[in-house]
Amino acid sequence: DTAVSQTPKYLVTQMGNDKSIKCEQNLGHDTMYWYKQDSKKFLKIMFSYNNKELIINETVPNRFSPKSPDKAHLNLHINSLELGDSAVYFCASSRGQHTGELFFGEGSRLTVL
Amino acid sequence: DAKTTQPNSMESNEEEPVHLPCNHSTISGTDYIHWYRQLPSQGPEYVIHGLTSNVNNRMASLAIAEDRKSSTLILHRATLRDAAVYYCILRGTNAGKSTFGDGTTLTVKP
Repeated sequence: DTAVSQTPKYLVTQMGNDKSIKCEQNLGHDTMYWYKQDSKKFLKIMFSYNNKELIINETVPNRFSPKSPDKAHLNLHINSLELGDSAVYFCASSRGQHTGELFFGEGSRLTVL
Repeated sequence: DAKTTQPNSMESNEEEPVHLPCNHSTISGTDYIHWYRQLPSQGPEYVIHGLTSNVNNRMASLAIAEDRKSSTLILHRATLRDAAVYYCILRGTNAGKSTFGDGTTLTVKP
């Protein structure tokens, strides 16, 4: 069983479209994250949720909206996609907000044409 | 946020030990030092972590300086599959967002 799974793995779409990436963890962790890794390979945190509450919201355009229906799921919805949104998006989870190892998903590669 | 500094790249020969350094001079007393690595086209994976004492696991060893301002990840015998980007981050109440820096790209030569 994959600990942190995200879907889809690949997403190709046109500018202006709206898309979602889903993430689920079966580790019983309280905290989940979204990271963005661009072409330069920098891994930047975007959002973090602890027990369904938003605790980290980095300087991210409000076209990006995370949603956590329960503590095992953290989905990322992106409106009005732009070319610069092309990147690999990683979901991660950890036992607590500041504790425990980070477990990452395999990534979702988003390409905006 | 507590920051870490690592060399951009390092090279090693296969089956030789590799020592990957990390500086974290602003570390606070409750911050844990974590190491992750990212293989090509994969998500980062946990390698090891420690607080004050040196740590060993099946993947690597972590040597932590006495003042905790630096640490070294040790791969005892590098293999080609160890070629990856290695990240050192701090996790703890005072470490903030556990920011990933640029990491060290390790190249292993046969």
